[in-house]
Amino acid sequence: AQSVSQHNHHVILSEAASLELGCNYSYGGTVNLFWYVQYPGQHLQLLLKYFSGDPLVKGIKGFEAEFIKSKFSFNLRKPSVQWSDTAEYFCAVNAGGSQGNLIFGKGTKLSVKP
Amino acid sequence: NAGVMQNPRHLVRRRGQEARLRCSPMKGHSHVYWYRQLPEEGLKFMVYLQKENIIDESGMPKERFSAEFPKEGPSILRIQQVVRGDSAAYFCATSTTTYEQYFGPGTRLTVT
Repeated sequence: AQSVSQHNHHVILSEAASLELGCNYSYGGTVNLFWYVQYPGQHLQLLLKYFSGDPLVKGIKGFEAEFIKSKFSFNLRKPSVQWSDTAEYFCAVNAGGSQGNLIFGKGTKLSVKP
Repeated sequence: NAGVMQNPRHLVRRRGQEARLRCSPMKGHSHVYWYRQLPEEGLKFMVYLQKENIIDESGMPKERFSAEFPKEGPSILRIQQVVRGDSAAYFCATSTTTYEQYFGPGTRLTVT
């Protein structure tokens, strides 16, 4: 069965530290990849997405992610985090290139200390 | 995205009652997806609908759960005879013909 793994359940960083959140998926075919963010008390918002082309994807608020096909990975990065980045981050995969049926990881809670 | 509306935001039901969750898509969106999030779990796909059609219900429990997206009005996720294990956050997401899904704020169902 297709699955998505997020390596860290809870990450705690100080402001200005660099961030990398891991995401691996299990599916051998074409995939569309997403990172969503959920700020406290708010709904999920799309941070960035990868469909095809340049494997380095830039999203909103300074986030980026790199698709490495050989490693089945789509890690999220940010060079310098801010207190306002405190949120829960979800990696999701749409397998087979078909619409619908996003498969989510369990999420990573990021806490940024001011 | 503020454009996807869900109501109610919080719903409390006693065991055995029915729960109805509503999702109003963003303007122009004709695809609706329902997901469930259990405590300490990621979101799990339940069902994908287009207007008047269920496209994929592979994530729906076989009993007590049903979904519809009528020609007019919101999409409805219906849970009959609720049990404690149905307590969760239920999210809907909507899209146009692209792969980008916009999520609503969710309905938190508590079964007492």
